[in-house]
Amino acid sequence: DGGITQSPKYLFRKEGQNVTLSCEQNLNHDAMYWYRQDPGQGLRLIYYSQIVNDFQKGDIAEGYSVSREKKESFPLTVTSAQKNPTAFYLCASSGNRGGATDTQYFGPGTRLTVL
Amino acid sequence: AQSVAQPEDQVNVAEGNPLTVKCTYSVSGNPYLFWYVQYPNRGLQFLLKYITGDNLVKGSYGFEAEFNKSQTSFHLKKPSALVSDSALYFCAVRDAFKAAGNKLTFGGGTRVLVKP
Repeated sequence: DGGITQSPKYLFRKEGQNVTLSCEQNLNHDAMYWYRQDPGQGLRLIYYSQIVNDFQKGDIAEGYSVSREKKESFPLTVTSAQKNPTAFYLCASSGNRGGATDTQYFGPGTRLTVL
Repeated sequence: AQSVAQPEDQVNVAEGNPLTVKCTYSVSGNPYLFWYVQYPNRGLQFLLKYITGDNLVKGSYGFEAEFNKSQTSFHLKKPSALVSDSALYFCAVRDAFKAAGNKLTFGGGTRVLVKP
């Protein structure tokens, strides 16, 4: 987990609220990613960014938004449009603009629960 | 499209015995393959990867994996399992030619339980 921090570790949201999950890395990596993990399932890609000021939708982007204003930061907003947001959210980063051989390194995760 | 399958939801092994976690993949081009481990309520930790070259890849914590192109497999192995190896293991694949945005596709995970 070293080099990538996520906060908060636990987050509770009321229905209809937007919440923002923080992800910061000090690895000088170009690319950053957000994944969602549900029990018994693998990770699913929400958004990714290969360079500052640019990001792309992943497989399950609906109801989520991101920004990439700084190289080291890639916050994820879970909007009220996301119908089932309760999950474990993982941020990752990789160097070299996310080249195909690059390894993705993961943060410790944020567990979001909708009340 | 790229995909990966981990056919076993759970693997039980006695401490000191060999551990194998199975993974098969499907890509249209050449595969880049990765193994990660996840402990409860933690992020994923990178174990090893296959890009090219020797089919036997050695990684962290005594783990290794063997790439088999004809069987499209990349099984994770450890000669002698420890209780501390009990965790959730993920295999992931990326198509060398087609993976837009360096996208990794993950398997559903295999839970390993090592009993003393």
